[in-house]
Amino acid sequence: DGGITQSPKYLFRKEGQNVTLSCEQNLNHDAMYWYRQDPGQGLRLIYYSQIVNDFQKGDIAEGYSVSREKKESFPLTVTSAQKNPTAFYLCASSLNGQGSGNTIYFGEGSWLTVV
Amino acid sequence: GNSVTQMEGPVTLSEEAFLTINCTYTATGYPSLFWYVQYPGEGLQLLLKATKADDKGSNKGFEATYRKETTSFHLEKGSVQVSDSAVYFCALSDGAAGNKLTFGGGTRVLVKP
Repeated sequence: DGGITQSPKYLFRKEGQNVTLSCEQNLNHDAMYWYRQDPGQGLRLIYYSQIVNDFQKGDIAEGYSVSREKKESFPLTVTSAQKNPTAFYLCASSLNGQGSGNTIYFGEGSWLTVV
Repeated sequence: GNSVTQMEGPVTLSEEAFLTINCTYTATGYPSLFWYVQYPGEGLQLLLKATKADDKGSNKGFEATYRKETTSFHLEKGSVQVSDSAVYFCALSDGAAGNKLTFGGGTRVLVKP
């Protein structure tokens, strides 16, 4: 089935550790995104990538890093510099990063908890 | 910058009641507008969208009309079911590089039998 796969679904991290969230899509989409959702709130953009080997910061990029070495993969690393990383992380993709009408599709999300 | 404002919840309804969730936006140019739905513990699913003024998006009994004059995109459903209990997000994309979405804060809807 086509779609966006995020793993792991649940992740616990000790303070001071880096963790990487995986995102894979088989939709042949050029553009991929990472959003953060805090309880009871909307989504905020962390990073996005319009094409392989290129990515841009979103609204809350501090403490996060990404890579886009393959079209289908866009992993997110939550570094120890992120002061409040406990949140629900959503990966998304769209056919391309141009125009306003392209639908953005979301994965099932990953819960990250700092213990 | 762009912004989306939607009514705060929770909205509690009885089954078969009429649902309206208000959404207004501020954006440059001519954005596309979206409604997404999120069920507990899951990601977001596209519910409907509209890409130009006066367009009506519809899906699963839900409707929303793109009103440029009032910068609004209110979501409506004539007869809700318990299965419609979820969080609903209004969002816009203004076509700037990256096709990024700007979200409202979400509205939780609870439908009781």
